[in-house]
Amino acid sequence: NAGVTQTPKFRILKIGQSMTLQCAQDMNHNYMYWYRQDPGMGLKLIYYSVGAGITDKGEVPNGYNVSRSTTEDFPLRLELAAPSQTSVYFCASSYAGQGISFFGSGTRLTVV
Amino acid sequence: AQSVSQHNHHVILSEAASLELGCNYSYGGTVNLFWYVQYPGQHLQLLLKYFSGDPLVKGIKGFEAEFIKSKFSFNLRKPSVQWSDTAEYFCAGAEGQGFSFIFGKGTRLLVKP
Repeated sequence: NAGVTQTPKFRILKIGQSMTLQCAQDMNHNYMYWYRQDPGMGLKLIYYSVGAGITDKGEVPNGYNVSRSTTEDFPLRLELAAPSQTSVYFCASSYAGQGISFFGSGTRLTVV
Repeated sequence: AQSVSQHNHHVILSEAASLELGCNYSYGGTVNLFWYVQYPGQHLQLLLKYFSGDPLVKGIKGFEAEFIKSKFSFNLRKPSVQWSDTAEYFCAGAEGQGFSFIFGKGTRLLVKP
């Protein structure tokens, strides 16, 4: 089924550990996004990409890195996990200027 | 500064009641507006979107929203809610062809059977 695939669904990290959240889409969307969702705060944009090889910071990029080597994949890396990064992370994709229609199923990350 | 605000954080309704969730935006130029729904434990799904044209937009599951430029509002409505509409609803905006969506903080709707 076409859509946005995120892995893993759940993860517990210790402070200082690193990990990569994977995101892949098979709809040939040029725009991809990473959001974090915290209770009562809505969604905050971490990073976005408008095409392969192009990434830029969103509202809350500190502590994260991304890459976009292909149109399909947009991994999010946490280098030194901190408790403040405990959140639910959503990847999303869209065609340019069309609005986000597809979200991944989310990754619930806990940093202890 | 660009912003999207939702007035109600929690709404409780009985089945068959009418629903209206408020959303106000603050943008300097052309704005595209969206409503998303998130059922418990699931990802966000697009309910409807407004880019231009008819200010009354119809979406999925019987939802509609009206863009009122003079009030900077994009309220979500449904004439008769069902228990299955229990979810969190997010309003979002993006300027022009922009990609930087701004989400409101969400409204949790509980529909009592």
